[in-house]
Amino acid sequence: GQNIDQPTEMTATEGAIVQINCTYQTSGFNGLFWYQQHAGEAPTFLSYNVLDGLEEKGRFSSFLSRSKGYSYLLLKELQMKDSASYLCAVMDSNYQLIWGAGTKLIIKP
Amino acid sequence: EAQVTQNPRYLITVTGKKLTVTCSQNMNHEYMSWYRQDPGLGLRQIYYSMNVEVTDKGDVPEGYKVSRKEKRNFPLILESPSPNQTSLYFCASNHREQGEAFFGQGTRLTVV
Repeated sequence: GQNIDQPTEMTATEGAIVQINCTYQTSGFNGLFWYQQHAGEAPTFLSYNVLDGLEEKGRFSSFLSRSKGYSYLLLKELQMKDSASYLCAVMDSNYQLIWGAGTKLIIKP
Repeated sequence: EAQVTQNPRYLITVTGKKLTVTCSQNMNHEYMSWYRQDPGLGLRQIYYSMNVEVTDKGDVPEGYKVSRKEKRNFPLILESPSPNQTSLYFCASNHREQGEAFFGQGTRLTVV
């Protein structure tokens, strides 16, 4: 079956760096996506990786290793507004998005 | 402005009373889908559509119906809602081979 695993919850301090991991097993691979979702709101797109390596976008970076079925989202200089859930999703061979359950990130002052 | 519009935002209804949640997108996306989101379970796909008149079941289709008569609209129908369908619902759309999905604002449904 298809499966995406990510930690349920993480806590970090304002101004620090946090890494959220995601491992996946899917039928084919057409890209990995990270979304941010604030409580009660719709998910919003953060990043996309289809080739191995690091993609940087401001304070956020995302890494992919296809051979290991592994990705991480790195958030630097954490701000209180970064408190949210972070969803990992993989597009499989049928171009279907397979979603992880999300990681709730709690930022403490 | 590119967007997915979903209505209503909030709905409280009684068991067995048919309801429809509307979803419309203005980006000419082929692919549309409906999700429900419950605490600790993440996004679970209910139905999806790859194009007009093409719909298919997702992971949790029981108790739901959809239609795709026009490319822009993808309504979700609950013929006889039950309390276990109380949830937060999202409609999303994307170009088939581009995974950046655009989500509607969400519909918080309560069935009593």
